[in-house]
Formats: sequence, structure tokens, C-alpha cells
Amino acid sequence: EVQLVESGGGLVQPGGSLRLSCAASGFTFSTYWMHWVRQDAGKGLVWVSRIDSDGSGTVYADSVKGRFTISRDNAKNTLYLQMNSLRAEDTAVYFCTREKYDISGATRSFDYWGPGTLVTVSS
Amino acid sequence: DIQMTQSPSTLSAFVGDRVTITCRASQSISGWLAWYQQKPGKAPKSLIYKSSNLESGVPSRFSGSGSGTEFTLTISSLQPDDFATYYCQQYSRYSITFGRGTKLEIK
Repeated sequence: EVQLVESGGGLVQPGGSLRLSCAASGFTFSTYWMHWVRQDAGKGLVWVSRIDSDGSGTVYADSVKGRFTISRDNAKNTLYLQMNSLRAEDTAVYFCTREKYDISGATRSFDYWGPGTLVTVSS
Repeated sequence: DIQMTQSPSTLSAFVGDRVTITCRASQSISGWLAWYQQKPGKAPKSLIYKSSNLESGVPSRFSGSGSGTEFTLTISSLQPDDFATYYCQQYSRYSITFGRGTKLEIK
């Protein structure tokens, strides 16, 4: 069974840092592109970042570029999001999610999501 | 970035009704459109990918269609478990955006 479980969320002051982790199991983690998506309280979903299967390629939303770093450890089946210079507007539930592939290749969608971890940026 | 305009934002319906949710892209995204269902306090659940492909395990009362800039999600006969918020999502090469969601409420 595919499982994604985020951890590392919490309360942090503006300007602070936090590192989120996502432990993956039930599939060959090293062969999948992975993403972080966040959701403000009561609001919609916002894509944050993507990393390809071997970690050599990353992409970020403009709102986090230069402050957040996505990475992965395929030996540990774990995805990370290092968040620096945090702002109040970064307050959200952060989900890790797996990019779906079917027999024809990438589907540009997400098939499995973790339950999320809450990040609160406040003084 | 490609903008996704989802409508309506709220929809009230009865159990057994047929409902349709629309998502419009600000430019053509071919068929790269997905739909998700989310219930309060839970992660989104994948329903449809590549515009019209049903995710494994999703009931056949859900269907998706469209290409280019206009897409629809249809639920043929609403069940009590279907009352939730629905999001569309596009994925171009360097940009991934979601619609603002449609909250489906019981009438």
C-alpha cells in the first residue's frame, strides 16, 4: 500500500526556518517525481515545488523561489522541504504528493497524497 | 502562469441529482487536466486524470471531459458521500495551478 506521511510542521516566528519531511513507502520511491502542495486555512490548493526522480531537477513556485529548497534521499525513501525566511503568508497545511504515471507515461497529475503537516508562521 | 477558473464556487443539489462543474484554462492545456475531491481535514483524493481517465477505485458515476481550455466534471447521480469540495488542476511544463474549488452542498 502506498503511503506518504509528512512531519516537521509547527509554529515558527517570521524569518525563521523549518524542514519538512515526507516518508514514503509501498512503492519504488526513486522512480517517481514528487511534489509539495500547500493549502491555506479554508482556502484552495497551491503548488509549491517539484523534484524529479533522482533529484537533479527542481522547480519552484515564484512565491517560494529563493527561500524554499526541495530535496530527496532515495536511500531513505524520504522527501524534504527546507523552508527559510518564513513569512506569515507561508502559514498552511503542506502536503507531499506523488506524480502519477500510467502505461503511456506521465499524466501530469497526482495520485497519492500524504495527510499533511501544519506550518504556522507567527510571532 | 496559466489561470484556472472554476465554476460555480458553490453548488447545492439533492441526492440523486446530476451535477456538472466547469473549469476553464486561460490558455490551451491540451488534455492535461485533473480533478480532485477533498473533504474537510483530509488530503485531496484523485478522481480524474488526463481530462477523462477515471482513477482506479473511483465510482463510474464520476466522469470528465474536455480539451483545450474548457473542461467538465460530471457526477451522474449524487450520493451522500459525494458532498465535498472539488478542484481542477493543470500542469504545464513549469507551472502547476489549481482552480479555486467548488463546494458541493446538500440541498
